[in-house]
Amino acid sequence: KQEVTQIPAALSVPEGENLVLNCSFTDSAIYNLQWFRQDPGKGLTSLLLIQSSQREQTSGRLNASLDKSSGRSTLYIAASQPGDSATYLCAGVLISSGSARQLTFGSGTQLTVLP
Amino acid sequence: NAGVTQTPKFQVLKTGQSMTLQCAQDMNHEYMSWYRQDPGMGLRLIHYSVGAGITDQGEVPNGYNVSRSTTEDFPLRLLSAAPSQTSVYFCASQRWAGETQYFGPGTRLLVL
Repeated sequence: KQEVTQIPAALSVPEGENLVLNCSFTDSAIYNLQWFRQDPGKGLTSLLLIQSSQREQTSGRLNASLDKSSGRSTLYIAASQPGDSATYLCAGVLISSGSARQLTFGSGTQLTVLP
Repeated sequence: NAGVTQTPKFQVLKTGQSMTLQCAQDMNHEYMSWYRQDPGMGLRLIHYSVGAGITDQGEVPNGYNVSRSTTEDFPLRLLSAAPSQTSVYFCASQRWAGETQYFGPGTRLLVL
């Protein structure tokens, strides 16, 4: 069974810092990996999706990488801003019986960017 | 596009009552899913559907039923509510399993 782990559970940084959020998964037979953002009391917003054939994706100040061999993905946030404060979740789609299956989520990292 | 919509936003039930959480999407997505989110446990998949008329169980299906009569709608039914079903429920849709999932705003359910 695929397990997805995010460490740390919470992170607090001063505004302007570059930071890295970590995500690890147990099964290298991963089809893709997605990073989501969740604001308090809200739904999830997709940030980046990395296919298994890719090593990274970029969107603005965000860069996500995927290393299947080590079972790790990282989300890099450049020049953090208070508006980046949210919970960040990673989720992997596992390949099973030749088909892509549903997402398995990590528990998330709660990020606070201090002004 | 409205995206993924969910109703109600908040609901209080008594143990043993039944109810239906509504989910609709207007993006013509084939895949739809229901998750529950509990503190410290992330999101767990309840049921999912790969198209109208086709549903399957996820990680935590007990106590819930689903049906998919149209592409747009994917309701989740609680048969006999229990306090353990107190949670936030999210519906999501995607074009197919390998693409980006779009989430609704969630339904907060409290079972007394």
